[in-house]
Amino acid sequence: QSVLTQPPSVSGAPGQRVTISCTGSSSNIGAGYDVHWYQHLPGTAPKLLIYGNTNRPSGVPDRFSGSKSGTSASLAITGLQAEDEADYYCQSHDSSLRGSRVFGTGTKVTVL
Amino acid sequence: EVQLVESGGGLVQPGGSLRLSCAASGFTFSRNWMSWVRQAPGKGLEWVANLNQDGSEKYYVDSVKGRFTISRDNAKNSLYLQINSLRAEDTAVYYCARDLSSSSARFYFDYWGQGTLVTVSS
Repeated sequence: QSVLTQPPSVSGAPGQRVTISCTGSSSNIGAGYDVHWYQHLPGTAPKLLIYGNTNRPSGVPDRFSGSKSGTSASLAITGLQAEDEADYYCQSHDSSLRGSRVFGTGTKVTVL
Repeated sequence: EVQLVESGGGLVQPGGSLRLSCAASGFTFSRNWMSWVRQAPGKGLEWVANLNQDGSEKYYVDSVKGRFTISRDNAKNSLYLQINSLRAEDTAVYYCARDLSSSSARFYFDYWGQGTLVTVSS
């Protein structure tokens, strides 16, 4: 029951740029709540990639960047590398419930 | 170094119960909200439940309300998830995560455990 919508998959050749969209509504992203992004490799713990729409935690390459506008957000990966092949999820807060956290549907990035 | 280590998963029959645990270290556990997030096979991440620093506020996704109970023991730096009346659709890897809030509009998970697998099957 994800309330944030992402494309199921995106792909690109090494070195190319890919973008992943995350579409929400007026009760989450459109209400002004920040969007965050995670990288998830099978069998591992999800990793925080972008927080507060545009900020990278220490250690995350600057090939990853985030943006937000209106009820949507985007993650861009430039200079795509084989190691970037993973699942990516956006996440925000929803005003429907004080503690509520919502994830996107997830996007599989494939490096051709 | 922040560490979150889950335990307690396993194979359980439909209608059964389990108690998941998450041992935290490397940060002041009692000052942080904590969450449980799950991923069913072939599905995406789903936030399950969270609670505030002293456990006085607890929130759940609709699909687990009345069946799951989140709790914590700050003296033991531990987070728990009691899961009852298990259903096949509860089969998932369950992660605990530090639920960070740095403003009134910014809520995210900065540290995650490796997860514990819960399988509901007869």
